[in-house]
Amino acid sequence: DQQVKQNSPSLSVQEGRISILNCDYTNSMFDYFLWYKKYPAEGPTFLISISSIKDKNEDGRFTVFLNKSAKHLSLHIVPSQPGDSAVYFCAAGGTSYGKLTFGQGTILTVHP
Amino acid sequence: DAGVIQSPRHEVTEMGQEVTLRCKPISGHDYLFWYRQTMMRGLELLIYFNNNVPIDDSGMPEDRFSAKMPNASFSTLKIQPSEPRDSAVYFCASNLGHKSYEQYFGPGTRLTVT
Repeated sequence: DQQVKQNSPSLSVQEGRISILNCDYTNSMFDYFLWYKKYPAEGPTFLISISSIKDKNEDGRFTVFLNKSAKHLSLHIVPSQPGDSAVYFCAAGGTSYGKLTFGQGTILTVHP
Repeated sequence: DAGVIQSPRHEVTEMGQEVTLRCKPISGHDYLFWYRQTMMRGLELLIYFNNNVPIDDSGMPEDRFSAKMPNASFSTLKIQPSEPRDSAVYFCASNLGHKSYEQYFGPGTRLTVT
């Protein structure tokens, strides 16, 4: 039972354009959402988060949008840079304190 | 701070052998998590601890897997006996607690069972 789903295994964009990564969840108990970035041979690193009381959170080139009614969140990267090429995981928390449920990840490739 | 430390970084073993993965969390963090990453299932939570006590081990796939946290600065994940389908990258992460969801990950251990 995948409670957090990233339906796009991969995404390819041109440098300077917008990257949009999507994530859907099924458990309405989730109330906190995070995005992690992972480079090869490294552990995931925290990127940005959003609480369920908000619908948008912005940090530099990264913006996360949350649509609670649709149980959907997205990560926008503008403008995309080649260094953004990585695997992006969305994660959700709120069912058990401290515990996160991760999606399968989306491989983002930004072409120069 | 050195961050979460995992050892070994790579492990190659034969089917049937015992494998022990090690983790040192960030000092002061109350929560420790063990994950497994595979292409098919992404990042799966195996088990997590709060103040050295196992809280949820529902993700541990079989009795062949066990985890311990004898003190606040050390945890092990053991697989005995190992099987080829256990091949994956295993991550350890820690969390400060205090209503924080952000987890800090170690570099992972790539396990190959032949």
